[in-house]
Amino acid sequence: DAMVIQNPRYQVTQFGKPVTLSCSQTLNHNVMYWYQQKSSQAPKLLFHYYDKDFNNEADTPDNFQSRRPNTSFCFLDIRSPGLGDAAMYLCATSRVVNEQFFGPGTRLTVL
Amino acid sequence: AQSVTQLGSHVSVSEGALVLLRCNYSSSVPPYLFWYVQYPNQGLQLLLKYTTGATLVKGINGFEAEFKKSETSFHLTKPSAHMSDAAEYFCALLWGGFKTIFGAGTRLFVKA
Repeated sequence: DAMVIQNPRYQVTQFGKPVTLSCSQTLNHNVMYWYQQKSSQAPKLLFHYYDKDFNNEADTPDNFQSRRPNTSFCFLDIRSPGLGDAAMYLCATSRVVNEQFFGPGTRLTVL
Repeated sequence: AQSVTQLGSHVSVSEGALVLLRCNYSSSVPPYLFWYVQYPNQGLQLLLKYTTGATLVKGINGFEAEFKKSETSFHLTKPSAHMSDAAEYFCALLWGGFKTIFGAGTRLFVKA
């Protein structure tokens, strides 16, 4: 089945230790998104790629970076995680002007 | 400005009762609207969508929603709740071709 895959599902890191979250898709969608979701809140968009074009949300901290080496893969890098960065991170894909398909998420814990 | 408002952060119904989750939107252009469901520790899953055409939209798991332009509403309903419907529900608006504006979410509780 075509799908969005996120690895790992659970990630524990230490305060200030860089961490990378991974997303891959078999849907061949040209748009990929990263969201941060904290408990009992709606997902908050961090950035998205339209093909290779990167679009950062104005309020996304510089601590968060992303890479999209090809159509199928997208990475979220958190350079120096703080306690406030503990959250669920959701990857999603879409075609333009269409609904988004979400991965299962990566739950990040910062110790 | 585009926005989505979900009325009620928590809704509780008995098993077998009608489910009604309310959503109002604001959009300067004809809206594309969605309902997503999220189960604990999972991603969001599309329940249904409205783009153009028929204003009554049917989705998965017996849910449906009606687009009412005059009321700027897109309420989600299900005639008979099941225990497995307990989850978080998000109403959403597509804007600018790429961005999805989510409502704050409504947690549905289903009592036995």
